[in-house]
Amino acid sequence: QKEVEQDPGPLSVPEGAIVSLNCTYSNSAFQYFMWYRQYSRKGPELLMYTYSSGNKEDGRFTAQVDKSSKYISLFIRDSQPSDSATYLCAMIPNAGGTSYGKLTFGQGTILTVHP
Amino acid sequence: DGGITQSPKYLFRKEGQNVTLSCEQNLNHDAMYWYRQDPGQGLRLIYYSQIVNDFQKGDIAEGYSVSREKKESFPLTVTSAQKNPTAFYLCASSIGLGVAEAFFGQGTRLTVV
Repeated sequence: QKEVEQDPGPLSVPEGAIVSLNCTYSNSAFQYFMWYRQYSRKGPELLMYTYSSGNKEDGRFTAQVDKSSKYISLFIRDSQPSDSATYLCAMIPNAGGTSYGKLTFGQGTILTVHP
Repeated sequence: DGGITQSPKYLFRKEGQNVTLSCEQNLNHDAMYWYRQDPGQGLRLIYYSQIVNDFQKGDIAEGYSVSREKKESFPLTVTSAQKNPTAFYLCASSIGLGVAEAFFGQGTRLTVV
């Protein structure tokens, strides 16, 4: 079983739709939870990150972390064609242990927003 | 402008050859990383370095080697021992190990011909 599981999609939605992207994980030591956006043939760029449980909002993007369920989500409101990309969740464990500092990624979800 | 530069963007290698991928950063970051990306598998960690002259194996280090002689540079060599080297390689850096904000280069597409 992979430490981080993410539905690869692909996901296709109409412009203006609300998009929900999700990841589950198995390592209870994960403390930082990130979402990256990657356009085709480019490097990933950090969208936002949260520490431990809770919600964080940045414009049209909202990240949620539920540590009790080992489940994180990214919501995109009023989706735009420019949001079409691969979205990758990533996690870092807390200090200590052999995995400290290692960024672990999900498989990525391919999103297409059509006009 | 600060950032991470990977070169070349595209690289072709004959079977049995070693090739070196370049990664340079001017962000004054201590930690640097190499990832491999294959379709449908996300990013997998090859090597990472927390400080100059020190580096650690990631999850898929076999067939790869790195060096960290300067803070700004973290080159990756793909050796002939790597059985399936065709992939998209990404270099990243962060202020330190365990910091959430990692910045990525634009990647190198390696193809074995």
